[in-house]
Amino acid sequence: GQNIDQPTEMTATEGAIVQINCTYQTSGFNGLFWYQQHAGEAPTFLSYNVLDGLEEKGRFSSFLSRSKGYSYLLLKELQMKDSASYLCAVLDSNYQLIWGAGTKLIIKP
Amino acid sequence: SQTIHQWPATLVQPVGSPLSLECTVEGTSNPNLYWYRQAAGRGLQLLFYSVGIGQISSEVPQNLSASRPQDRQFILSSKKLLLSDSGFYLCAWNPLTGLAGIGTGELFFGEGSRLTVL
Repeated sequence: GQNIDQPTEMTATEGAIVQINCTYQTSGFNGLFWYQQHAGEAPTFLSYNVLDGLEEKGRFSSFLSRSKGYSYLLLKELQMKDSASYLCAVLDSNYQLIWGAGTKLIIKP
Repeated sequence: SQTIHQWPATLVQPVGSPLSLECTVEGTSNPNLYWYRQAAGRGLQLLFYSVGIGQISSEVPQNLSASRPQDRQFILSSKKLLLSDSGFYLCAWNPLTGLAGIGTGELFFGEGSRLTVL
């Protein structure tokens, strides 16, 4: 079967750095997405990785290792507004998006 | 610019009642359209997707149905709601068509509709 694993919940301190991991087992791979979802709202796109390596976009970076079936989202200089759930999703060989359950990130002052 | 809207935002319905959620996209043509459901603590579940008018693919057999009467309109319906239909429903679109006609680009989501079935 297809599976996306990410931690259920993480806690970090304002101003710090946090890394949210995602491991996947899917039938084929056509890219990995990270979305941010604030409570009660729709997800919004953060990043897309299809090749190995690190993609940096401001305070957020996303890393991919296809051989290990592994990705992480790195958030720097955490702000209170970063408190949200972070969803990992993989596009499989049929171009279907397989979603993880999301990681709830709690930021403490 | 492209926008997507869905409504209603919140609804509380009794078991056995009908359902209609509507989604419209503006500023683009021939989008791929999707209906997702998100249960608490679980990942997004794809319910239906559509690559064109009248073309609906169902991913999960259930008492829900979808229709696309116009290019930029996507409707989710049910004749009789079940308790298990409660959840957060999300409409989404993307502009790219992949090899399977499903889309490879990022998804743009509507505001979401929270359904509680009592």
